[in-house]
Amino acid sequence: KAGVTQTPRYLIKTRGQQVTLSCSPISGHRSVSWYQQTPGQGLQFLFEYFSETQRNKGNFPGRFSGRQFSNSRSEMNVSTLELGDSALYLCASSLGESVNQPQHFGDGTRLSIL
Amino acid sequence: GESVGLHLPTLSVQEGDNSIINCAYSNSASDYFIWYKQESGKGPQFIIDIRSNMDKRQGQRVTVLLNKTVKHLSLQIAATQPGDSAVYFCAEIFYGGSQGNLIFGKGTKLSVKP
Repeated sequence: KAGVTQTPRYLIKTRGQQVTLSCSPISGHRSVSWYQQTPGQGLQFLFEYFSETQRNKGNFPGRFSGRQFSNSRSEMNVSTLELGDSALYLCASSLGESVNQPQHFGDGTRLSIL
Repeated sequence: GESVGLHLPTLSVQEGDNSIINCAYSNSASDYFIWYKQESGKGPQFIIDIRSNMDKRQGQRVTVLLNKTVKHLSLQIAATQPGDSAVYFCAEIFYGGSQGNLIFGKGTKLSVKP
């Protein structure tokens, strides 16, 4: 069974640009969550989607947004990129909502802002 | 506010010894806890979970202990191997208002000496 797949693995952008990251969950999983991981802040929750609806949202500015498609694949978008957005962005999927069962993570997209 | 923290940011053990990684949580309402392992360049990998109605759960070479009285969680790894070298995160889930909240600790780096 294939795991969570994130694309691209690495991305370099400049300030002010926008970026879209993609996540394909494990087959059959309906919940997809996104996290930002930095050395200083650790793993921080961005948002969770379940059956195409945002179910939960972390404490990030509106520049961070996401969506989920009918096949459970998800994308997250960051607009007006800032230097501080440089991080590893992780996607995780679970069968049901993440607060009830463990999540399975992809290997992330490493985003660098110049 | 609610937080999940780790007593020891780094832990070095000899191959074959047992490892104990500790985690303190501050929200007495948390009812689900998960341990993850993250190897360099990879996403977090689920190890074991425990619900608040239990105080101990065992997996393959790993045991999680939950002490609700002092709000403490630990991960014990038996016969630690070089492949166990990684960063270990604990996560707690609690319900605030109408939604569940998943918070990760900062992580403990485990180094196994051959």
